[in-house]
Amino acid sequence: AQKVTQAQTEISVVEKEDVTLDCVYETRDTTYYLFWYKQPPSGELVFLIRRNSFDEQNEISGRYSWNFQKSTSSFNFTITASQVVDSAVYFCALSSFMTTDSWGKFQFGAGTQVVVTP
Amino acid sequence: DGGITQSPKYLFRKEGQNVTLSCEQNLNHDAMYWYRQDPGQGLRLIYYSQIVNDFQKGDIAEGYSVSREKKESFPLTVTSAQKNPTAFYLCASSMEQEGAYGYTFGSGTRLTVV
Repeated sequence: AQKVTQAQTEISVVEKEDVTLDCVYETRDTTYYLFWYKQPPSGELVFLIRRNSFDEQNEISGRYSWNFQKSTSSFNFTITASQVVDSAVYFCALSSFMTTDSWGKFQFGAGTQVVVTP
Repeated sequence: DGGITQSPKYLFRKEGQNVTLSCEQNLNHDAMYWYRQDPGQGLRLIYYSQIVNDFQKGDIAEGYSVSREKKESFPLTVTSAQKNPTAFYLCASSMEQEGAYGYTFGSGTRLTVV
């Protein structure tokens, strides 16, 4: 069975601090995709990044960076120099299609609420 | 602009009533999904459809029903059999059945039982 664990329920920081969100996943599949989504107060989930299981390169996009480590089954997300607009719920998700029961379906973590105060 | 439209944004239901949540997409995506979100529980899959006229139960399908008569539309009916329907409902679609390119989400419908 697939599982995504986001152990941090809520993280509160002051503006300009860095914040790292943890994501640990479990899957028996060798080919899979990992995602991060942001859910602002408006409710719609916004796609941030997609990474396939064969690409362990870390990625930086502006103030966002991602650290994918297959050895520890982790896909952590860091926001550098946080801003108030970063306040949202962030979801990590896993998608694979090698087994019938997981085909095309996402497994979401419970989400981490990030609160950035001025 | 292409996207997913969910309506209504807020919905109030009396106990014992069925209600239908609308989800329409103009992205030409094959697959569509319904998720339920409760505080602290993340997203849970209700139903999904990978092709027109076909759909599958997700993890929490009891008390819900769907149809997929058109590629663009995937309405969700919350029936009176659903014991605790108050939640935030999200519709999503993906360009291919495998979901490898991620989902596009609608803005959600917040359902409250009064």
